Amino acid sequence: AQKITQTQPGMFVQEKEAVTLDCTYDTSDQSYGLFWYKQPSSGEMIFLIYQGSYDEQNATEGRYSLNFQKARKSANLVISASQLGDSAMYFCAMRDARSGAGSYQLTFGKGTKLSVIP
Amino acid sequence: DTAVSQTPKYLVTQMGNDKSIKCEQNLGHDTMYWYKQDSKKFLKIMFSYNNKELIINETVPNRFSPKSPDKAHLNLHINSLELGDSAVYFCASRQGLAGSRAQYFGPGTRLLVL
Repeated sequence: AQKITQTQPGMFVQEKEAVTLDCTYDTSDQSYGLFWYKQPSSGEMIFLIYQGSYDEQNATEGRYSLNFQKARKSANLVISASQLGDSAMYFCAMRDARSGAGSYQLTFGKGTKLSVIP
Repeated sequence: DTAVSQTPKYLVTQMGNDKSIKCEQNLGHDTMYWYKQDSKKFLKIMFSYNNKELIINETVPNRFSPKSPDKAHLNLHINSLELGDSAVYFCASRQGLAGSRAQYFGPGTRLLVL
């Protein structure tokens, strides 16, 4: 069974500083993908970034980057130049392939609540 | 031009009632999902539909039944509501089978069972 672990229930960061949110995963699949989602207090889930297990380079999307260390099974999210609007819950998720189904479901971690301090 | 929409946004009801939550996506995606987020913010997959066929059905009580009238809609019907069903229910959709395709979520439906 797949498992996602986010060990930081809450984190604080000063505005304009960088912050790293940790995510480790466990899977026996060779092909897998890792996603990060943001959930602000308004409740919607916003897709941020994706990393495939075979991707050679770390994914980047604007101020978001993913520090992917395959041997350590970690996929940490790095947010550079934090902004007040970055205050939210952040979820790491892994997609698995269900044999014969051709579709993927996401297994989520428990999330990290990030608070950006002015 | 909302991509994934859900109605209602809030639902307050009594135990034992039957209720439905509707989901519509205008992204042309061919796979849709229902997730449940509990009071501790933990998200768990409930169902997924690909081209109107149920392809994943997690260990969800059979009081929950997804219904997809067409590729753009996936509704969730809940019979005999229980207190433990109180949660936020998210609909999501994605396109195709490529693993890099993200799932896009609706705004959520906050269900409170009294």
